[in-house]
Amino acid sequence: AQTVTQSQPEMSVQEAETVTLSCTYDTSESDYYLFWYKQPPSRQMILVIRQEAYKQQNATENRFSVNFQKAAKSFSLKISDSQLGDAAMYFCAYRSGLDSSNTGKLIFGQGTTLQVKP
Amino acid sequence: DVKVTQSSRYLVKRTGEKVFLECVQDMDHENMFWYRQDPGLGLRLIYFSYDVKMKEKGDIPEGYSVSREKKERFSLILESASTNQTSMYLCASRPDSSGANVLTFGAGSRLTVL
Repeated sequence: AQTVTQSQPEMSVQEAETVTLSCTYDTSESDYYLFWYKQPPSRQMILVIRQEAYKQQNATENRFSVNFQKAAKSFSLKISDSQLGDAAMYFCAYRSGLDSSNTGKLIFGQGTTLQVKP
Repeated sequence: DVKVTQSSRYLVKRTGEKVFLECVQDMDHENMFWYRQDPGLGLRLIYFSYDVKMKEKGDIPEGYSVSREKKERFSLILESASTNQTSMYLCASRPDSSGANVLTFGAGSRLTVL
């Protein structure tokens, strides 16, 4: 079974600085998708960024980028120029790319709470 | 934008009560999910539905059931609430199970069982 591990329960960053959130996963599959979701306090969870395992290029969305190391099974999220609005809980998630995996459920990590200091 | 609406943001129930958590999505999505979120455990899948009247157990289905009579509505039922079901419950939907389709989440329902 696949697992997703976020080993940093809490992180903090100074406003305008850069922070990296770690995520590792375990799978025997070669085709899969990885996601980072953001859950602001008392607000709904939204997608930050996603990565297809077959793509070597790291995904980027404005100030958010990933460092995808397939061999190491690592998928870290880098937030550049951190803003107060980035304060949230961040979840890493895995989804199998196999069609036979029923509905392709997401497997989530434990979450990392990010604090942004002014 | 797709909207996923959960009927109750906060509920307080007593042990043994029957609890209904309702979720409605407005974009004709085929797949719907119920997750439970607990500190240190992340999100764990309770049940999912890939079509009307179709449902499958997730990782922690014990003590829960679901109903999907209409495509837009997916209900989570706690037949007899217990204190260990105190948690945040998140509903999500997705167009279908293909590719990298992204989940759209509701705002969550925080349930306290006394």
